Amino acid sequence: KAGVTQTPRYLIKTRGQQVTLSCSPISGHRSVSWYQQTPGQGLQFLFEYFSETQRNKGNFPGRFSGRQFSNSRSEMNVSTLELGDSALYLCASSSRHPTNEKLFFGSGTQLSVL
Amino acid sequence: KNEVEQSPQNLTAQEGEFITINCSYSVGISALHWLQQHPGGGIVSLFMLSSGKKKHGRLIATINIQEKHSSLHITASHPRDSAVYICAVSPFGNEKLTFGTGTRLTIIP
Repeated sequence: KAGVTQTPRYLIKTRGQQVTLSCSPISGHRSVSWYQQTPGQGLQFLFEYFSETQRNKGNFPGRFSGRQFSNSRSEMNVSTLELGDSALYLCASSSRHPTNEKLFFGSGTQLSVL
Repeated sequence: KNEVEQSPQNLTAQEGEFITINCSYSVGISALHWLQQHPGGGIVSLFMLSSGKKKHGRLIATINIQEKHSSLHITASHPRDSAVYICAVSPFGNEKLTFGTGTRLTIIP
């Protein structure tokens, strides 16, 4: 069974640009959650999608958004990039609700904003 | 004060030693996760606990819901166990994972 796939692996953008990251969950998993990891703040929850619906959102500005498609693949978008958005963005999939299920993480997308 | 506190922040031990990493949290939770992150970023879920104790190979995780405390133990530690270990909790009524800052474990051969 293929694992969670995140693309791209690395990304370099400049301030003000926007970026879209992609996450393909394990086949059969309907929940995808997104996390931001920085050296200063550690891991933080961004949002969670289940069956194309956003179920939860973390404390991030509206520049951070996401969606989930009918095949459970998910994208997250960050508009008007700021230097502080430089981080490792991780997604995880689970068969049902992520907080009470084992999570399967992708390798992450390392975003650098210059 | 963070909702999830881990100790120690850094731990260096010799191969073969018994390792304990602690996680304390301040809110009621429905589950607690132990995660392992190797250099390069990939995260692996080790355990998901809501009560009691779980064992997988040389790893043991325990949780005491009344004391709001969990421990991760590694027996017969090996250099390949070197990684960052992260505790995360699912608070009741707020189904968003909240993470500890991690424990960096280094096992010396």
